[in-house]
Amino acid sequence: DAGITQSPRHKVTETGTPVTLRCHQTENHRYMYWYRQDPGHGLRLIHYSYGVKDTDKGEVSDGYSVSRSKTEDFLLTLESATSSQTSVYFCAIQGSGYGNTIYFGEGSWLTVV
Amino acid sequence: AQSVSQHNHHVILSEAASLELGCNYSYGGTVNLFWYVQYPGQHLQLLLKYFSGDPLVKGIKGFEAEFIKSKFSFNLRKPSVQWSDTAEYFCAVNDNQGGKLIFGQGTELSVKP
Repeated sequence: DAGITQSPRHKVTETGTPVTLRCHQTENHRYMYWYRQDPGHGLRLIHYSYGVKDTDKGEVSDGYSVSRSKTEDFLLTLESATSSQTSVYFCAIQGSGYGNTIYFGEGSWLTVV
Repeated sequence: AQSVSQHNHHVILSEAASLELGCNYSYGGTVNLFWYVQYPGQHLQLLLKYFSGDPLVKGIKGFEAEFIKSKFSFNLRKPSVQWSDTAEYFCAVNDNQGGKLIFGQGTELSVKP
């Protein structure tokens, strides 16, 4: 158990509504990530954070924003959800230092109808 | 930019058969390499990782992988698969600066009892 909690675990929302997913960690790790998983695409990085208020874009960041006001929380926001954002979202954490493994949360299943 | 390619999208084996899943990456620098497994409905779990040293890496559940630098490959192997190995397997790479784990598309393994 890497001490990662994602919420909500399942959500159905309507197109055009805002949605926020929360990732909470208890390990005080520096790096946090949001990935989305879609069939045939593996996991793709949306955004990541390397410290409080320090974030950067991944390969599929359009339509998403993030915030990290505390070390333990990393929020992913869909400002106006679209059907193409129906996916499984995984949060991940990594400690600083060479060779640290990235550990994943249990996932948040989001359906946009 | 880094990329990871997994050549087998779906592999079907009978129990006790040997397994080899291919993984190739493109990156000119020093890399860290990982194999993750995802059982149906679950999150990703680390199978094994390579940072440096012996290119033959042993992981959990009898899996191993060999890093061949000249071929930019990190293939996953298991001498004798079990029904419980049915899952999706992901190869991933990041550079030794940490972070930004890049995934392959995944290989679905189905083991017939």
